[in-house]
Amino acid sequence: EVQLVESGGGLVQPGGSLRLSCAASGFTFSSYVMHWVRQAPGKGLEYVSAITSNGGSTYYANSVKGRFIISRDNSKNTLYLQMGSLRPEDMAVYYCARLTGDLDYWGQGTLVTVSS
Amino acid sequence: DIVMTQTPLSSPVTLGQPASISCRSSQSLVHSDGNTYLSWLQQRPGQPPRLLIYKISNRFSGVPDRFSGGGAGTDFTLKISRVEAEDVGVYYCMQATQFPRTFGQGTKVEIK
Repeated sequence: EVQLVESGGGLVQPGGSLRLSCAASGFTFSSYVMHWVRQAPGKGLEYVSAITSNGGSTYYANSVKGRFIISRDNSKNTLYLQMGSLRPEDMAVYYCARLTGDLDYWGQGTLVTVSS
Repeated sequence: DIVMTQTPLSSPVTLGQPASISCRSSQSLVHSDGNTYLSWLQQRPGQPPRLLIYKISNRFSGVPDRFSGGGAGTDFTLKISRVEAEDVGVYYCMQATQFPRTFGQGTKVEIK
């Protein structure tokens, strides 16, 4: 059974940093591009970042470029999102997802609250 | 980026009646491999999104057959043949033909 379990969310002050993790199981993690998608309270889905299967290429939405870093450790089947210079508008539930366009899976999400 | 546009944004439906959601993409979603990577997601209140339909019309494991998808090129439709109470939530279309993945705005399905 495919499982994606996010962790690392919490309350952080504006300008602060946070690292999210996503533990994957039930599939060959190292074979898949992985993604982060976020959802602000009461809003729709916003694509944040992606990383290729070997970590060699990354993509960032303009809204997070230069502040967030996506990475992965295939030996630990884990995806990461290092978030810095956090702003109130970054407050959202962050989902880790496998989005092949074929058989896609989403984690339960982790809530990031940015507030003083 | 490919823009995904859904209509309507809200759909009040009577239990047992059909519902239909449209999704239009700003460019063709036909991939160079011949597949069209258009998916439909369901997000129930307080839950993460989950896959309902992939590659236009394929139901994901465990999805009831009252859900069906259709369309081609740039125009796609999700239909619910008879809405049940558990279908309440927001439905999104998503394209995975190109990077970055992009989503429609979401359509809220609620019971009248």
